[in-house]
Amino acid sequence: NAGVTQTPKFQVLKTGQSMTLQCAQDMNHEYMSWYRQDPGMGLRLIHYSVGAGITDQGEVPNGYNVSRSTTEDFPLRLLSAAPSQTSVYFCASTTLEGAHTEAFFGQGTRLTVV
Amino acid sequence: AQSVTQLGSHVSVSEGALVLLRCNYSSSVPPYLFWYVQYPNQGLQLLLKYTSAATLVKGINGFEAEFKKSETSFHLTKPSAHMSDAAEYFCAVSAGGTSYGKLTFGQGTILTVHP
Repeated sequence: NAGVTQTPKFQVLKTGQSMTLQCAQDMNHEYMSWYRQDPGMGLRLIHYSVGAGITDQGEVPNGYNVSRSTTEDFPLRLLSAAPSQTSVYFCASTTLEGAHTEAFFGQGTRLTVV
Repeated sequence: AQSVTQLGSHVSVSEGALVLLRCNYSSSVPPYLFWYVQYPNQGLQLLLKYTSAATLVKGINGFEAEFKKSETSFHLTKPSAHMSDAAEYFCAVSAGGTSYGKLTFGQGTILTVHP
């Protein structure tokens, strides 16, 4: 009964380094998304995907790339980390069933860029 | 486009007192509305949702919210606060249709419960 699994839970990067945040879901949901959480700003949408092979930008996409080769996985890539990307990142997987719609969130990845 | 405003970044109540967390939204289409709770160092958990059925929505842990279209509000209430309710609460809106999963969040309200 894993739901949405994010790895790693914590990460420290140096400015300019690259890394991939992993996200996997086992609920067969078509819709997946990445958010970043910053104090006093709630969660903001970075990228989302409505199915394998389909991705689109959210509110704050700059500096991040995504791909969706399978229904289960939706990795988020930071190509050249910057201190402004220090944040907590959440992956979500969503049912698209009208009144039953619900987003399920992972436990988050706390990223610090120094 | 959608937006959400949560009035009050911090709310403090005594144990047993009424909890009222305010949320106002803006949406160009009939909205889907959600309240999520986040405990320290945890992910977000759905408390309740409004998806165009009953305007008074009951959720987990004794919380409820009422959708008021005329006031564009979706305030969260609980009659009697418990120490375990201390957490951060987020109101969110989505547009429905293929945009079900695109949530726009408010800034969050930290609830403190005093003994």
